[in-house]
Amino acid sequence: NAGVMQNPRHLVRRRGQEARLRCSPMKGHSHVYWYRQLPEEGLKFMVYLQKENIIDESGMPKERFSAEFPKEGPSILRIQQVVRGDSAAYFCASSPGRYSGANVLTFGAGSRLTVL
Amino acid sequence: AQTVTQSQPEMSVQEAETVTLSCTYDTSESDYYLFWYKQPPSRQMILVIRQEAYKQQNATENRFSVNFQKAAKSFSLKISDSQLGDAAMYFCAPDSGGSNYKLTFGKGTLLTVNP
Repeated sequence: NAGVMQNPRHLVRRRGQEARLRCSPMKGHSHVYWYRQLPEEGLKFMVYLQKENIIDESGMPKERFSAEFPKEGPSILRIQQVVRGDSAAYFCASSPGRYSGANVLTFGAGSRLTVL
Repeated sequence: AQTVTQSQPEMSVQEAETVTLSCTYDTSESDYYLFWYKQPPSRQMILVIRQEAYKQQNATENRFSVNFQKAAKSFSLKISDSQLGDAAMYFCAPDSGGSNYKLTFGKGTLLTVNP
């Protein structure tokens, strides 16, 4: 079981470029969460997706940020026209859902975005 | 929105000793879960322990245990027989309950283990 796979691990972009971060959930997991971690901070919830559906995007900035989890392939977090304030570590987590018991999230190793 | 307070930005403990990390939170839910995650220098988030809010019995996982006070909304983590490998940032995270399950993280406590 490969766990939650995120790539790239490190991404450098210049202001105004686009950043695409990918997340492949654990095998058998159909729920994906994206979190952002700024320096010296805890993780902040961004968006919760199930296959082909955005369930909760209350933590996503209204502009420039979007997320998808298609029927086939990884979940994508897309940041358009990046600014320096977007520099952060972006973590993806997956879970099988909360059918019985805790919805235990398994996290990927994170993608660190640096905007020059 | 939930709030989570970890009042100790940094803690240190001697190897083999016991340390307790505090966490308080605010929620209007009655059925929810609480988690402690650790983040070592590798930055990987690792689940340490979880607690079901409807259970009065405190969760334990080897050297890790919690003191859960539901009425006080307090969820502290005790690490016994501390080891050098326990050095990490520790985050308390209740979930949102209901059908959404998103976690709200505190700002973390940086634990240093001294040999």
